[in-house]
Amino acid sequence: GENVEQHPSTLSVQEGDSAVIKCTYSDSASNYFPWYKQELGKRPQLIIDIRSNVGEKKDQRIAVTLNKTAKHFSLHITETQPEDSAVYFCAAMTGGFKTIFGAGTRLFVKA
Amino acid sequence: DTGVSQDPRHKITKRGQNVTFRCDPISEHNRLYWYRQTLGQGPEFLTYFQNEAQLEKSRLLSDRFSAERPKGSFSTLEIQRTEQGDSAMYLCASSLAGRGNDYEQYFGPGTRLTVT
Repeated sequence: GENVEQHPSTLSVQEGDSAVIKCTYSDSASNYFPWYKQELGKRPQLIIDIRSNVGEKKDQRIAVTLNKTAKHFSLHITETQPEDSAVYFCAAMTGGFKTIFGAGTRLFVKA
Repeated sequence: DTGVSQDPRHKITKRGQNVTFRCDPISEHNRLYWYRQTLGQGPEFLTYFQNEAQLEKSRLLSDRFSAERPKGSFSTLEIQRTEQGDSAMYLCASSLAGRGNDYEQYFGPGTRLTVT
């Protein structure tokens, strides 16, 4: 069945360093890959997304890369700040709009 | 507030009781999704609607769960004969097909269910 694996489950970085979160997906029909940030007690919020016909996308300090052949996609956050601390989820949407989420990465940015 | 809203925000019920949650999507959004999220996990897909049609339902969803979107606007999720394992946050999301980023889902604040 469809599955999205995400790692690491916890990531601790020093303020100003970069953070990388990696995901793999199983359904080759997946065509849309969003990343969500969820702060404690709040709803998930989209921070960046990428479609299957694009290999890389950047938005200020955040970038996402996609390797369709390997079924891998990654989130890169540069110049991390304490307010980046949260849980980050990757997800993959199948052609039928069903969205499968990874288990999440808890990011700690130490000041 | 023009975002996705959910009601109630919290629900405590005894095992065996039925519960119903409501989701109001962003106005004009024609896709609506239901997810379940337990502590430390990502949202788990339950079902989704395009307008009033329920197009997909998770195989993991037991027959105790049912969702409706009768007029293509708000949606309800009912859980019959609740079990302690149903305790979770139930999230609703909506998106607009056919305009801009039609895949982007906007989440509601969720309904936290506690089954005692």
